[in-house]
Amino acid sequence: EPEVTQTPSHQVTQMGQEVILRCVPISNHLYFYWYRQILGQKVEFLVSFYNNEISEKSEIFDDQFSVERPDGSNFTLKIRSTKLEDSAMYFCASSRDPGMDEQYFGPGTRLTVT
Amino acid sequence: AQSVSQHNHHVILSEAASLELGCNYSYGGTVNLFWYVQYPGQHLQLLLKYFSGDPLVKGIKGFEAEFIKSKFSFNLRKPSVQWSDTAEYFCAVNPHSGGYQKVTFGTGTKLQVIP
Repeated sequence: EPEVTQTPSHQVTQMGQEVILRCVPISNHLYFYWYRQILGQKVEFLVSFYNNEISEKSEIFDDQFSVERPDGSNFTLKIRSTKLEDSAMYFCASSRDPGMDEQYFGPGTRLTVT
Repeated sequence: AQSVSQHNHHVILSEAASLELGCNYSYGGTVNLFWYVQYPGQHLQLLLKYFSGDPLVKGIKGFEAEFIKSKFSFNLRKPSVQWSDTAEYFCAVNPHSGGYQKVTFGTGTKLQVIP
């Protein structure tokens, strides 16, 4: 069964550094998403992406964040200048048609900002 | 803004006990509803979903959920839990408004099943 994959599984970075989290969505999916889960808290929506542009974003997704689909398979989340509070598990998800299909989640990247 | 409430944060059951986890959402329009499960050290997996039709939906591993529109509820049930059901369970809502782009999750319920 096709899966969403994410790399790396764990990233440690220093405050102020830029990080790029990578995701490979399921190949025939057209909608892509990023969520995050701070330890002990609920999963929170960050952004959705369709047709090479952001279709919806949350208040969390400020100017420090950006997303990109640099080629036909990868979907990335960039945090320009990481803060301690960015430490969380970041999940990528994809779907074929959000009205008709669930979102399939990747295993997550644990980001630790020191 | 829509929200999802899960009333039980931590549930401890013995094997073979019945399970019901509550979920209520606050959104008046059309929604898709989901239960996801996260086993220790693993990623989110879909247990079941409701898009339309029969409000009683059956999912994997013997789980089912009932959508009661008048109560804005989507409670998860299982008649007899097993030790392997130990996990965290998330109710999630995907509203029609905005093209179903955003899934809002509840805070999760940690289920511990004692052998």
